[in-house]
Amino acid sequence: QVQLQESGPGLVKPSETLSLTCTVSGGSITTYYWTWIRQPPGKGLEWIGYVYYTGSTNYNPSLKSRVAMSVDTSKNHFSLKLTSVTAADTAVYFCARWLQGAYTWFDPWGQGTLVTVSS
Amino acid sequence: DIQMTQSPSSLSASVGDRVTITCRASQSISYYLNWYQQKPGKAPNVLIYAASSLQSGVPSRFSGSGSGTDFTLTISSLQPEDFATYYCQESYSTPPTFGQGTKLEIK
Repeated sequence: QVQLQESGPGLVKPSETLSLTCTVSGGSITTYYWTWIRQPPGKGLEWIGYVYYTGSTNYNPSLKSRVAMSVDTSKNHFSLKLTSVTAADTAVYFCARWLQGAYTWFDPWGQGTLVTVSS
Repeated sequence: DIQMTQSPSSLSASVGDRVTITCRASQSISYYLNWYQQKPGKAPNVLIYAASSLQSGVPSRFSGSGSGTDFTLTISSLQPEDFATYYCQESYSTPPTFGQGTKLEIK
């Protein structure tokens, strides 16, 4: 059974870069699309983007200028970088597998990690 | 981006009640609609995909219906573990977007 686990700093200063990693266990990272989704405290869900195991990416236009995702198949993990962060980027960040077929959905998800942007 | 609007935003109900949550898309999305359940401090879990297909392991009291722009999630007989927040999500376009959520509370 595939499981995902986010890791990275819980506190980032304004204007700096948020960096998170999602480690996949119980299955291979190859073949699938991998995605990041965030949820500001008490608010809804926002899709950030995906990285395919080949390294191809697609980002939400609202964040595209500040986002970079990458994958390391040798370590079975993928990563998120978000530059020039502000308080508005404070959120729980989830990684998830994006199942593709005739229909698509997110499953499974990591437990999420809270990232606070504050000086 | 496609806008997803859920109603109601919150709902109080009792164990054993039948509950329906609706989700409306700003344009037709065919059957490209998923439903998730999120409990406090946890990640969302998929309940329904492709508008009406029940995810493996999800109790049969959950069901989904609809197509085009209007969709519903129904819980036939509420159980204590069903009190949570529910989100719809369209998978018709990129970026995929979520509804604002419906918080289901105990009456």
